Amino acid sequence: GQQLNQSPQSMFIQEGEDVSMNCTSSSIFNTWLWYKQDPGEGPVLLIALYKAGELTSNGRLTAQFGITRKDSFLNISASIPSDVGIYFCAGRRSSGSARQLTFGSGTQLTVLP
Amino acid sequence: DAMVIQNPRYQVTQFGKPVTLSCSQTLNHNVMYWYQQKSSQAPKLLFHYYDKDFNNEADTPDNFQSRRPNTSFCFLDIRSPGLGDAAMYLCATSRGLEGNQPQHFGDGTRLSIL
Repeated sequence: GQQLNQSPQSMFIQEGEDVSMNCTSSSIFNTWLWYKQDPGEGPVLLIALYKAGELTSNGRLTAQFGITRKDSFLNISASIPSDVGIYFCAGRRSSGSARQLTFGSGTQLTVLP
Repeated sequence: DAMVIQNPRYQVTQFGKPVTLSCSQTLNHNVMYWYQQKSSQAPKLLFHYYDKDFNNEADTPDNFQSRRPNTSFCFLDIRSPGLGDAAMYLCATSRGLEGNQPQHFGDGTRLSIL
């Protein structure tokens, strides 16, 4: 199936630092979603992006839909301990069976006090 | 308030013993999905229902079946669980299949096989 390359695979940062992670694909997506998953919980939707070039914020989180529609990034500013978790990007096309979500492999974020 | 509810949160079954996981939703969404997620991996789609229409992913084993008796409920049946089926099973819903209708996930059922 389609692949999304998500990087980095893991990050260790100090509390207060900014974080950036991204996803790239060889295929075009019409929607990019960013989810956060805490241990033992389901993924929670953080930000949804629907237009190429769109830049959307949710509190300390900012995500952008790449202009080529083949990439997206997520930034977290001034990280805090509760930001710890796994962040997944997911892309979606608009037609046929490819309307299903394709997930990235996740970025494990650890915030050190 | 939880909108996609999965029960139980933890399920233990024996090798080969059928098991059913359940999902309910209060969102009145048309689409319900079942994903399998193994440790440190992304969720993998097993199948989905659009209303009553069942759509199986090509690589989903026959051992996995699903039922959707009404809009609110969807079940995942594993007919003869093997050790490799131990995983987190996630249910998700979306209003439709269009790109501007994101999926909302439940908290999952963690399945262990003895």
